[in-house]
Amino acid sequence: DGGITQSPKYLFRKEGQNVTLSCEQNLNHDAMYWYRQDPGQGLRLIYYSQIVNDFQKGDIAEGYSVSREKKESFPLTVTSAQKNPTAFYLCASSIMVGVSGANVLTFGAGSRLTVL
Amino acid sequence: AQKITQTQPGMFVQEKEAVTLDCTYDTSDQSYGLFWYKQPSSGEMIFLIYQGSYDEQNATEGRYSLNFQKARKSANLVISASQLGDSAMYFCAMREGRGRKLTFGGGTRVLVKP
Repeated sequence: DGGITQSPKYLFRKEGQNVTLSCEQNLNHDAMYWYRQDPGQGLRLIYYSQIVNDFQKGDIAEGYSVSREKKESFPLTVTSAQKNPTAFYLCASSIMVGVSGANVLTFGAGSRLTVL
Repeated sequence: AQKITQTQPGMFVQEKEAVTLDCTYDTSDQSYGLFWYKQPSSGEMIFLIYQGSYDEQNATEGRYSLNFQKARKSANLVISASQLGDSAMYFCAMREGRGRKLTFGGGTRVLVKP
């Protein structure tokens, strides 16, 4: 079945450590995204990529980095520079559909990061 | 200014009744898209319905319909015949222009009572 796989599902990190969250899709979608969700709140865009080897900052990119070396993969690194990294991280991918451009995002199951 | 506003943080609805979730948006683009997603307690985001700014008819998908009032910049979601499985967070989102990124509102939590 086609979909998006995020790993790990749960991750614990000590302060000062970098961690990398994996996101893989087999939907042949061209665009991929990383969102952050804090408890009881909406999603905020961290980074997105429309094609391989290219990506753009979202609204809260500070303290994060990404790469897009393959169409299927879009890993997110949470660096020690991110002051409050404890959150739920959601990866998504999309393809433009129809004349009106319904850019429907398909999401992974998420990764929950806790900083100890 | 908030681009997507959901003013109802939470609401109860009786099983089998209809419920309307409010969403207002702010954009200067003529071309944009509006989306609704459902997030159960498991955390995954499930796409429900889409409305393009040039679509003249309100979108419908099964028990979901989108009440699109362009002049008022509102895109309310109507869930008919609520079921216990509809209990979840619901998010309204917008794509502006021909861009690819979506901006999300703060969400509304719905709890369906038996």
